[in-house]
Parts: sequence; C-alpha cells; structure tokens
Amino acid sequence: GAVVSQHPSWVICKSGTSVKIECRSLDFQATTMFWYRQFPKQSLMLMATSNEGSKATYEQGVEKDKFLINHASLTLSTLTVTSAHPEDSSFYICSARDPSTDTQYFGPGTRLTVL
Amino acid sequence: KQEVTQIPAALSVPEGENLVLNCSFTDSAIYNLQWFRQDPGKGLTSLLLIQSSQREQTSGRLNASLDKSSGRSTLYIAASQPGDSATYLCAVRPGGTASKLTFGTGTRLQVTL
Repeated sequence: GAVVSQHPSWVICKSGTSVKIECRSLDFQATTMFWYRQFPKQSLMLMATSNEGSKATYEQGVEKDKFLINHASLTLSTLTVTSAHPEDSSFYICSARDPSTDTQYFGPGTRLTVL
Repeated sequence: KQEVTQIPAALSVPEGENLVLNCSFTDSAIYNLQWFRQDPGKGLTSLLLIQSSQREQTSGRLNASLDKSSGRSTLYIAASQPGDSATYLCAVRPGGTASKLTFGTGTRLQVTL
C-alpha cells in the first residue's frame, strides 16, 4: 500500500516551546490531508482537515492558533503545536487520501511529550 | 449523525481459526467503507476499502463485505495467525461533499499460539 511518513516519530520538549511535525505522502499527491490525535486506549480524534493551498478546517474545540496546519504542497503537510503544555502530550497521526483510489492512508504517528 | 459500532469489542482466538469482525453504521448514505488495523503505539494500516457500489473486497486472507442497505460490514480473517493480533477499525466516509471518516469503536483481537 501507499506510504505516508511522519517526522519525527517522537519528540520531548519543554513547556512553552513549539514543535513542528511533518507529514509526507510518498507515493501519491494528496489534495486532502488530515491530522488526528489519540490518547491511550482511546479512538482517534480528528483535529483538522487540510486542503492543499487553502486554510485548514478545524474540528469544534480545536484551537486553530495553537495547532497551526500548513499544507504547502501536494505531498507535505505540517502541524505546529505552539506554546506546548503538558496537556498537549499525545500521539499525533496524520493521514492522506489518495484521490485515484479514495483510500486514506495513515502515517506511523508522532508521540509528543511536553515536560 | 453517523454512528459506527463494532462487535465484539475484544476477541481472543487460537491460531488457525477463521473469524468474523462486525461493523454497523446508522446512516446508509455512505461513499465508502474502509477497514484498518492498528498495532499498539503505531499508526493505522489500511486493509481494504469497499466503495458503496461494491459488495466485497478481498486481499490475501482478508475478505470484507458490505451491505449498505442494512448498514453492515464484516471483515473475515481466514486461518488466523499471532501476527494478526491488533485492534481492527472500520471507518465510513459519508456521501456528499463531506470527506472525513467516522471510525468505529474497534475490535481488539488476540490470536494465541
């Protein structure tokens, strides 16, 4: 199947700093990408839908100024957690939809720990 | 609002058994349905995608069926192996312009030796 990569796979940062996570679709051009977060033993929670060249659509309750999403190209989307706090510690997973097959592929996830 | 339920929530079977995982959804106006597996601490791996016009899809030991009118899908795993142990998720994509998936509650499968 198609591959979606994420970088970094894990990151530890101090409270108040910003962290950027990259998501790349390696085998196809993704007009639509998605960002999720997942807490232990819980289901994925959609944070935002990102369309190439336009502003992201955030889900209710997700702060757009805190979670900055940029979908600058058809193969790259970034999520920046600004002024991170311990409660932002979570598993962040990106996803990209292959428009030729409608299949949605997920990245391996990034574990963020904020001290 | 679409709701997706998976039964059972957890399942433990001995190696070699055939098994069926169930997924039901309340709104039959879907565009497609996708099955995923998630290993602990990892992202999701796409297993099969069934378009709304299709009845089933097969990949290796996996077979997924879709009965859109009754709001059901099943994932059949033949000759289960310990490596199949994971959480299995179904997700539906709605029709129309909305594109985000609604995930099921998941089935945690353990295949024992």
